[in-house]
Amino acid sequence: AQTVTQSQPEMSVQEAETVTLSCTYDTSESDYYLFWYKQPPSRQMILVIRQEAYKQQNATENRFSVNFQKAAKSFSLKISDSQLGDAAMYFCAYYTGNQFYFGTGTSLTVIP
Amino acid sequence: NAGVTQTPKFRILKIGQSMTLQCTQDMNHNYMYWYRQDPGMGLKLIYYSVGAGITDKGEVPNGYNVSRSTTEDFPLRLELAAPSQTSVYFCASSYSKGGTDTQYFGPGTRLTVL
Repeated sequence: AQTVTQSQPEMSVQEAETVTLSCTYDTSESDYYLFWYKQPPSRQMILVIRQEAYKQQNATENRFSVNFQKAAKSFSLKISDSQLGDAAMYFCAYYTGNQFYFGTGTSLTVIP
Repeated sequence: NAGVTQTPKFRILKIGQSMTLQCTQDMNHNYMYWYRQDPGMGLKLIYYSVGAGITDKGEVPNGYNVSRSTTEDFPLRLELAAPSQTSVYFCASSYSKGGTDTQYFGPGTRLTVL
């Protein structure tokens, strides 16, 4: 079974500082994709960043970047220069064979 | 473009009742998905479709049925509602395989079964 684990139910960060959210996954597949999604209080799911497992280079999207450690099955999200609008639930997700698997989420608070 | 729309936004059902959650997308996407999100949890895939006429089970399909007669619509049917089906339901779509393409999510339907 595929599993995605987010070990930090809650995190907080000062505005303008950097925070890292952790995610590990368990799989025997070689072809898969990893994602971070943001869910603000509006409940709308928003894609933050995507990583293809076959790519060694870590994905970046503006202030968001990942640290993808394939051998360790680790996929952490780094948010730089945190902004108040970054406050939300963040979900790590894994995709293979037309199936998505999500972690339980990390609630991020941004302190002004 | 309206994107992915879901109706209703909220619904309360009695145990044993049935209902259909509607999902429509206007982006000509081939892939569509239904998820449920229980309180404090991540999303779990119920069913997905790779095109009109083709559907398949996700991680938690029991108690649900789907159909995909058109590219635009992907309704989710609950038969004999049970309290365990109390959840927020999200529909999503993507043009190609979910791993290679961005999934667009609807706003969700909050369902309570009493």
